[in-house]
Amino acid sequence: AQSVTQPDIHITVSEGASLELRCNYSYGATPYLFWYVQSPGQGLQLLLKYFSGDTLVQGIKGFEAEFKRSQSSFNLRKPSVHWSDAAEYFCAVGGATNKLIFGTGTLLAVQP
Amino acid sequence: DGGITQSPKYLFRKEGQNVTLSCEQNLNHDAMYWYRQDPGQGLRLIYYSQIVNDFQKGDIAEGYSVSREKKESFPLTVTSAQKNPTAFYLCATKKQGDTGELFFGEGSRLTVL
Repeated sequence: AQSVTQPDIHITVSEGASLELRCNYSYGATPYLFWYVQSPGQGLQLLLKYFSGDTLVQGIKGFEAEFKRSQSSFNLRKPSVHWSDAAEYFCAVGGATNKLIFGTGTLLAVQP
Repeated sequence: DGGITQSPKYLFRKEGQNVTLSCEQNLNHDAMYWYRQDPGQGLRLIYYSQIVNDFQKGDIAEGYSVSREKKESFPLTVTSAQKNPTAFYLCATKKQGDTGELFFGEGSRLTVL
């Protein structure tokens, strides 16, 4: 079955600290992988995506993610978190079909 | 400006009433989607449409209906058969032949009293 697991429901980091949000997926074919961010009461904004090629992808707002096929993971990282990064983050997987499957999200809080 | 407009942003309804949420896009994207978001459950697909006059059920279509009479519009009706309609509803679009990226509207929050 196709699925996405985000094991951390809630994470709190201090401003300026590094961040890693975990994402594991189950998908039968070559996956297309995405990270989206959502501010409260808003829609989702794409941070970055992976389709093929270099397994380390760069996104907006200083985020990056690494695709590790052997671990079925696509973890999101940022070297130094800003207070404005507080939001909910969603990992998603798709492929040749037109449907994306989303994880349940990780809520990030940033301490001053 | 190009984008996706969802309306209304907030909607209150009494139990047993049908409500229709609007989604309009001027991105010229072929595919449109409706997702439901509940706390701790991520996004769940309700319906999607890849071309005008055609749509498919998603994972939680029961109690919902849609139409796709125009490329720009994909309204969602939450019927009285939906047992727990209070939620945040998100509309999204995708360019046909693209690699899967969805573009989202700002969402509509429906509260059934």
